[in-house]
Amino acid sequence: GAVVSQHPSWVICKSGTSVKIECRSLDFQATTMFWYRQFPKQSLMLMATSNEGSKATYEQGVEKDKFLINHASLTLSTLTVTSAHPEDSSFYICSASGAGDQQETQYFGPGTRLLVL
Amino acid sequence: AQSVAQPEDQVNVAEGNPLTVKCTYSVSGNPYLFWYVQYPNRGLQFLLKYITGDNLVKGSYGFEAEFNKSQTSFHLKKPSALVSDSALYFCAVRDMAGGFKTIFGAGTRLFVKA
Repeated sequence: GAVVSQHPSWVICKSGTSVKIECRSLDFQATTMFWYRQFPKQSLMLMATSNEGSKATYEQGVEKDKFLINHASLTLSTLTVTSAHPEDSSFYICSASGAGDQQETQYFGPGTRLLVL
Repeated sequence: AQSVAQPEDQVNVAEGNPLTVKCTYSVSGNPYLFWYVQYPNRGLQFLLKYITGDNLVKGSYGFEAEFNKSQTSFHLKKPSALVSDSALYFCAVRDMAGGFKTIFGAGTRLFVKA
């Protein structure tokens, strides 16, 4: 149980385009979802936290208008990188927590590697 | 402020030998502590957690971790390492009172030699 999927796993795009990444909890209801960014050989950097039906809470230094997060249902959150630039190239990972006993633990998706040319 | 430290960038161990990956933490309240493993180009997989109760926590793939409150440590251990255990390991502490934010350590790369 507690499976989180991400789509796509890889995306290559041209500079200036927008890219949408989906994160789904497959077998539980994710009341809270998190988006992370990971640079090579580095730890995870939390970008934002979202609760279903609410606006996302962004970490300091993360541009809200550039990284649009939507958590419209208890099983789906999306991250849209708007007007992507090469410096946005990174590994993006989502995670989800449920309610009750599932609230304590975050379950991670497999990640999405974004390359902006 | 909460923080997690993994003092070793890399740990090398021979297959069959015991392994330890170190983690220390700093929190204002009761710690919720986690270990995750990451394989190349993959997301993080949950290994184990400490919330309350027995200080020795058993997790997936034969891993265990010992919570030591006086030393503020949560070291990951395994009695007999496998080559397939080679991966990147992250210790994390979660702030259940502050928006459920999880703080990750820098990660420790484990190499198990055959």
